[in-house]
Amino acid sequence: NAGVTQTPKFRVLKTGQSMTLLCAQDMNHEYMYWYRQDPGMGLRLIHYSVGEGTTAKGEVPDGYNVSRLKKQNFLLGLESAAPSQTSVYFCASSPGATNEKLFFGSGTQLSVL
Amino acid sequence: EDQVTQSPEALRLQEGESSSLNCSYTVSGLRGLFWYRQDPGKGPEFLFTLYSAGEEKEKERLKATLTKKESFLHITAPKPEDSATYLCAVRSSGTYKYIFGTGTRLKVLA
Repeated sequence: NAGVTQTPKFRVLKTGQSMTLLCAQDMNHEYMYWYRQDPGMGLRLIHYSVGEGTTAKGEVPDGYNVSRLKKQNFLLGLESAAPSQTSVYFCASSPGATNEKLFFGSGTQLSVL
Repeated sequence: EDQVTQSPEALRLQEGESSSLNCSYTVSGLRGLFWYRQDPGKGPEFLFTLYSAGEEKEKERLKATLTKKESFLHITAPKPEDSATYLCAVRSSGTYKYIFGTGTRLKVLA
């Protein structure tokens, strides 16, 4: 059982480049989330989705876009990467109202030079 | 605005030395408080959910408790394998957001 899979695991970008991080879950979960984790700042919510075709802003959405065209996938896009976006990105999913715990992926380490 | 504050930032214990981690929270209405464990280089793993003041949950050497303003994660007779970062999160009523604290880094020495 794969659970929550994030790709890629590591990426180095130059300032101004764009990229997409993919999160895939095979548990038929309704809710999906993107967080970034920085030293001393904990996990901060970027965007989230409560169902296919829906997205909403979290605590730190600026500079990021998301899409959830299929229930099992949640994409995080950086249109023009900045050094301030250097971070570890985690995707999480949750079944929804019946079970509120979050299941996390293993993370993507992104460096923007 | 929902806020979560965890203390201490870091904690070093000798094996067998019991202690508690604190999670203070401010929410408009608590739907749930969650504890996670995170090992280096990995994503957080779920430990407990608490819903109302007075509730307690236990798992092996860990016990989580909840009041109207804070939660404690009690670690009894810890072992080196309990070394990890422990994260607290809250979800407010009427929202789908989970807001995390900055975590407590626990190191248990043999």
